[in-house]
Amino acid sequence: EIVLTQSPATLSLSPGERATLSCRASQSVSSFSAWYQQKPGQAPRLLIYDATNRAAGIPARFSGSGSGTDFTLTISSVEPEDFAVYYCQQRGNWPLTFGGGTRVEIK
Amino acid sequence: EVHLLESGGGLVQPGGSLRLSCAASGFTFRNYAMNWVRQTPGKGLEWVSTLSGDAGPTFYADSVKGRFTVSRDDSSNTLYLEMSSLRAEDTALYYCARALGSSWFYFDYWGQGTLVTVSS
Repeated sequence: EIVLTQSPATLSLSPGERATLSCRASQSVSSFSAWYQQKPGQAPRLLIYDATNRAAGIPARFSGSGSGTDFTLTISSVEPEDFAVYYCQQRGNWPLTFGGGTRVEIK
Repeated sequence: EVHLLESGGGLVQPGGSLRLSCAASGFTFRNYAMNWVRQTPGKGLEWVSTLSGDAGPTFYADSVKGRFTVSRDDSSNTLYLEMSSLRAEDTALYYCARALGSSWFYFDYWGQGTLVTVSS
């Protein structure tokens, strides 16, 4: 099973700052990774798929990069509504797995 | 607007059974693969099962294989998860999620979840 390790566990930022979230896979998953955002009491929301593609309706401040074992989600300028938990997910190897999450909190 | 509404969760004893339902609306249900994903505070998000849009292949996590069965009724736009031989570790919030088009294993719309608690 592919283990996805997300870092940091918590990221403290002020609105307007740049956020850089990391996801490392225990084996290569090619470009088959995704990022989700989850706010308290809500279901996850798909942000990025296949490492770099923004899902429908996702603002351009969210971008994804990486391939193989290392992936990054970048929020170019954090908005107040972006404070949430972010999860990565892979579909490159069976079974599908998720990372443990990075919490982006207000500094 | 895509809408997914899960139901059927509740408290069940270890070894018991439960059937979850997910009512879908706002899209052509039969054209999409559908998924179940569960979440717990301790283990986080865990993919459970995928069922293709043509009632074709099904896929299960090893942790539920042989105990859970996914099915769908395209005439009523409903996805089901039949769970048996339930264990304490199956306690979770169960989400129904639509697959992202032809990428069966990404999830672009999610319901709000239904809580399953396995306890004596």
